Amino acid sequence: SYELTQPPSVSVSPGQTARITCSGDALPKQYAYWYQQKPGQAPVLVIYKDSERPSGIPERFSGSSSGTTVTLTISGVQAEDEADYYCQSADSSGTHVVFGGGTKLTVL
Amino acid sequence: EVQLVESGGGLVKPGGSLRLSCAASGFTFSSYSMNWVRQAPGKGLEWVSSISSSSSYIYYADSVKGRFTISRDNAKNSLYLQMNSLRAEDTAVYYCAFDYYGSGTFDYWGQGTLVTVSS
Repeated sequence: SYELTQPPSVSVSPGQTARITCSGDALPKQYAYWYQQKPGQAPVLVIYKDSERPSGIPERFSGSSSGTTVTLTISGVQAEDEADYYCQSADSSGTHVVFGGGTKLTVL
Repeated sequence: EVQLVESGGGLVKPGGSLRLSCAASGFTFSSYSMNWVRQAPGKGLEWVSSISSSSSYIYYADSVKGRFTISRDNAKNSLYLQMNSLRAEDTAVYYCAFDYYGSGTFDYWGQGTLVTVSS
């Protein structure tokens, strides 16, 4: 079955830039999405269709795509950005949704 | 205000059944595809199933196909997940979610209901 691969953890100091990658063979054909999830809360969409930012999401969150890898970039990381981040896409048929394993972002 | 409220979770023995519900309000439920996503304790998100607005298209993750059935009642603004032959690995918080803002994905989520499969 189709998989999306993320690093388990990323650590950055406040004010630095965090980059979280997500790799998958179908990413050149399917959009990628990114969610932020804090403990005990439902996920929140922070990037859709590779690089679009929903209303209310700070400008420091951005997304990009290159071949089979998509990247979530958080510029000027703040303590409140500490959370788990999940990429999501679909298989090549578009009928099955797939999530990456998640990346725990630690703000040092 | 858009609201999704899941219910029906609880403790069930392996091999047992459970039916989850998701009550929707604040939007035209019959116009939107709906989805179930789950998260095992301490684990990542896993898509479970999707159903189109008129129930014409239904999809399942391989891990639940043949055991779970998604359905909806547009007259009652409700989404359901019938879960049979439950296994320990089905233990998770189950969320209903949908694309409300036109993002192409799950941009609105309920708060989830916990299902625990244990003897």
